[in-house]
Amino acid sequence: EIVMTQSPATLSVSPGERATLSCRASQSVGSNLAWYQQKPGQPPRLLIYDASTRATGIPARFSGVGSGTEFTLTISSLQSEDFAVYYCQQYNNWRPYSFGQGTKLEIK
Amino acid sequence: EVQLLESGGGLVQPGGSLRLSCTGSGLTFRSYAISWVRQAPGKGLEWVSISSGSGANSYYADSVRGRFTISRDNSKNTLYLQMNGLRADDTAIYYCAKAFSEFVLGGAIFFDHWGQGTLVTVSS
Repeated sequence: EIVMTQSPATLSVSPGERATLSCRASQSVGSNLAWYQQKPGQPPRLLIYDASTRATGIPARFSGVGSGTEFTLTISSLQSEDFAVYYCQQYNNWRPYSFGQGTKLEIK
Repeated sequence: EVQLLESGGGLVQPGGSLRLSCTGSGLTFRSYAISWVRQAPGKGLEWVSISSGSGANSYYADSVRGRFTISRDNSKNTLYLQMNGLRADDTAIYYCAKAFSEFVLGGAIFFDHWGQGTLVTVSS
């Protein structure tokens, strides 16, 4: 099983500043990595797939980089609607399609 | 607009059964693999099961294999999850989530559309 580890667990950032979230895989997943945003009471929303491709309708302030075992989601110039929980998910291996434990992005 | 609507959740006693449904609209249902993903209260996301577009192939997380069965009826645009032998740790919101790909093995199995979820509570 591929274990996905996100850091930090909680990130406090002021609006307008940059947020950098990390995701590490226990073994290589290539570029088969997605990022999701989840707000309270809502389902997750796809942000990034293939490690760096923005999903339809996702603003350019969201960007993803990485390959192999190390990945980063960057949100430049945080907006009020960006404060949420973010999950990474690997899809290189279905046994299982594992998610990270999440990073909560909160207002500083 | 793609929409997924789950139903069938509720309160069930330990050892009991439930069948969840997920009905899709705004998409060619048979052309996409669809998964069940669950989220225990206050916890993260856990992938549960996936069915290929045709329904010919399905896969399960170890935590549910042998107890849960995924199936689909593409003529009704509906995915099912039959859950037997329910346990307290199965308590969660169950989401159905559409994959980007039709095929599972070798496919792009990330989830670009999600339903609102249905709550399953296992308690005596």
